[in-house]
Amino acid sequence: QKEVEQDPGPLSVPEGAIVSLNCTYSNSAFQYFMWYRQYSRKGPELLMYTYSSGNKEDGRFTAQVDKSSKYISLFIRDSQPSDSATYLCAMSLSSNDYKLSFGAGTTVTVRA
Amino acid sequence: DAGVIQSPRHEVTEMGQEVTLRCKPISGHNSLFWYRQTMMRGLELLIYFNNNVPIDDSGMPEDRFSAKMPNASFSTLKIQPSEPRDSAVYFCASTPFGRGHTEAFFGQGTRLTVV
Repeated sequence: QKEVEQDPGPLSVPEGAIVSLNCTYSNSAFQYFMWYRQYSRKGPELLMYTYSSGNKEDGRFTAQVDKSSKYISLFIRDSQPSDSATYLCAMSLSSNDYKLSFGAGTTVTVRA
Repeated sequence: DAGVIQSPRHEVTEMGQEVTLRCKPISGHNSLFWYRQTMMRGLELLIYFNNNVPIDDSGMPEDRFSAKMPNASFSTLKIQPSEPRDSAVYFCASTPFGRGHTEAFFGQGTRLTVV
């Protein structure tokens, strides 16, 4: 079993829909949870990070962490074609931990 | 700053040949990472440098892989001899020391194909 499991997708939604992305993990020691966005033929870029359990909102993006269930989510409201990308979850033991455990990524297409 | 710069963007080579990938981190970033991304295995950390010193190379798959960072502005990842299973996208990332990945920036990657 992988340390981080991510819904493989691909996911195709119409413009304006809510996109819901999820990851589960097995290591209860993880404290920091990140979402990266990776456009085709580009490197990953950090979208959001959250410490411990709870919600974090940034514009149209909301990250949720449920440590009791070892489950994290990313929601994209009012999705736009420019949101079409692969989204990777990642997690680490601490804020300056250099070792991240990545999910495999979910490819999202937002149709105009 | 132009960000993390990797070269070449694409490399096609024959099995058995030596391949050298290059990375220029963001100026002032003390930590540098090499990753490999494949469909099967996702994103894997190969090696981590801090202040030009290799700290963790446990992700380097075999002795055929080697990485150097001769100075703060340059790093190389070498594969010798290359094999078809090395085909992947290789990313370099840099971050200020101690800031983990909350301020990490990735390069655009080198897409390596070994035939």
